[in-house]
Amino acid sequence: EVQLQESGPGLVKPSQSLSLTCSVTGYSITSNYWGWIRKFPGNKMEWIGHISYSGSTSYNPSLKSRISITRDTSKNQFFLQLNSVTTEDTATYYCARQGWITTTDDYWGQGVMVTVSS
Amino acid sequence: DVVLTQTPVSLLISLGGQASISCRSSQSLVHSNGNTYLHWYLQKPGQSPQLLIYQVSNRFSGIPDRFSGSGSGTDFTLKISRVEPEDLGVYYCLQRTHNPPTFGGGTKLELK
Repeated sequence: EVQLQESGPGLVKPSQSLSLTCSVTGYSITSNYWGWIRKFPGNKMEWIGHISYSGSTSYNPSLKSRISITRDTSKNQFFLQLNSVTTEDTATYYCARQGWITTTDDYWGQGVMVTVSS
Repeated sequence: DVVLTQTPVSLLISLGGQASISCRSSQSLVHSNGNTYLHWYLQKPGQSPQLLIYQVSNRFSGIPDRFSGSGSGTDFTLKISRVEPEDLGVYYCLQRTHNPPTFGGGTKLELK
């Protein structure tokens, strides 16, 4: 069974960088697309970006100047780095797999809540 | 970016009743390849979103047939029949036809 687990600090100071790890078991990240999505306080959801089976990336233009998604295939992990964070980046961050058949995010991690505050 | 407008924002339904959620797009979600990449999710309290319906009308693995999706172009609907307690939560539509993917604002389903 595909399982994803996010990890990272729950508190980040403004202007610093947010770094999150998604650890995947039961499926290789050298197949499919692997993405990050966030949910803000309230209900708003935002797609952040993804990394493909080949290592190519695609980012939300609204965040493109600040984000980087990378991977370590030997550990079956992929990563999100978001630079120059502000309080508006406070959200729950999810990693997810995009399925070939479903063409959308079909397996999700449990999410990690990140607060940006001094 | 494509704007998805979900209505209603909240829904009060009795157990065993039927719920209908609308998702309207600011532009057609028909891809140049002919497919429509409109999907539906449910986020139950304290859980991550779970996929219910992909590409308008296909139920994901393990999703009961009480859930059905329909629509085309810019107008889409999720229907839930015989509502059960485990159906409560926030429902989202997501479009992946145009970049970047965008979500609807969510519809909260509560028991009457």
